[in-house]
Amino acid sequence: DAEITQSPRHKITETGRQVTLACHQTWNHNNMFWYRQDLGHGLRLIHYSYGVQDTNKGEVSDGYSVSRSNTEDLPLTLESAASSQTSVYFCASGANTGELFFGEGSRLTVL
Amino acid sequence: EDQVTQSPEALRLQEGESSSLNCSYTVSGLRGLFWYRQDPGKGPEFLFTLYSAGEEKEKERLKATLTKKESFLHITAPKPEDSATYLCAVHLSNDYKLSFGAGTTVTVRA
Repeated sequence: DAEITQSPRHKITETGRQVTLACHQTWNHNNMFWYRQDLGHGLRLIHYSYGVQDTNKGEVSDGYSVSRSNTEDLPLTLESAASSQTSVYFCASGANTGELFFGEGSRLTVL
Repeated sequence: EDQVTQSPEALRLQEGESSSLNCSYTVSGLRGLFWYRQDPGKGPEFLFTLYSAGEEKEKERLKATLTKKESFLHITAPKPEDSATYLCAVHLSNDYKLSFGAGTTVTVRA
C-alpha cells in the first residue's frame, strides 16, 4: 500500500542547532507540503513543492528551507532552531485534485 | 485576504445527541472544500470533498453540506468513537495547496 512516512517522530534539540525532518511518500504524487500545527492556529503552511526542483514558500516560511531532488522526498530543514519552532510538523502529498494524504507527524521540541 | 473560520472551537456531546459544526470561508475562486478528521497524535485523515453550493456528501454518521459562504458537518446520533478534531480546508482555483481552519474538537460521552 502507498504511504507517507515522517522521521523522526519525536526530536528534542537545542537553540541554534540545524535540524532536518524527513518526509517520504510512495504515492508518486507531484505535490508535497509541510505544515506546522500549534494550539489555536490549526495547520499553517511552511513550504510546498509541485515537482522535482520546484519549491515555494508558504505563510510561515521564515527559518525553514526545503529541497526536492526526487518525487518521493521533501526534507524540511530548520537552519538554526528557535524555541518558537517548537511544534508538531506534518508532511502531506497529493495529486492536483487537492485531496492531501498526511504523515503521522514529527513532534519537535527546541530547548 | 482569504480566511477559513471554524466554530465552535470545542463541542461536547452526549452519545446520540446530534449536532453540527460550521466552516465559513471568505475566499475568491473556491475549487473545493475539504473535511478532515484528526485523532490525537495522528495526522489528518480525509473525509469529504465538496465542489459546489448545494452539494452533500455522507459517510456513516457524518454528512457534509456546502453553501456559497459556508459548510456544515452534521453528526447524527454520535458515538464515542466520533470524538476527534474536525478540520475544514479550502482549495483555491489558482493553486493546489489547502488552507485550513483551526478545527473543532468534538468529544462524545457515553
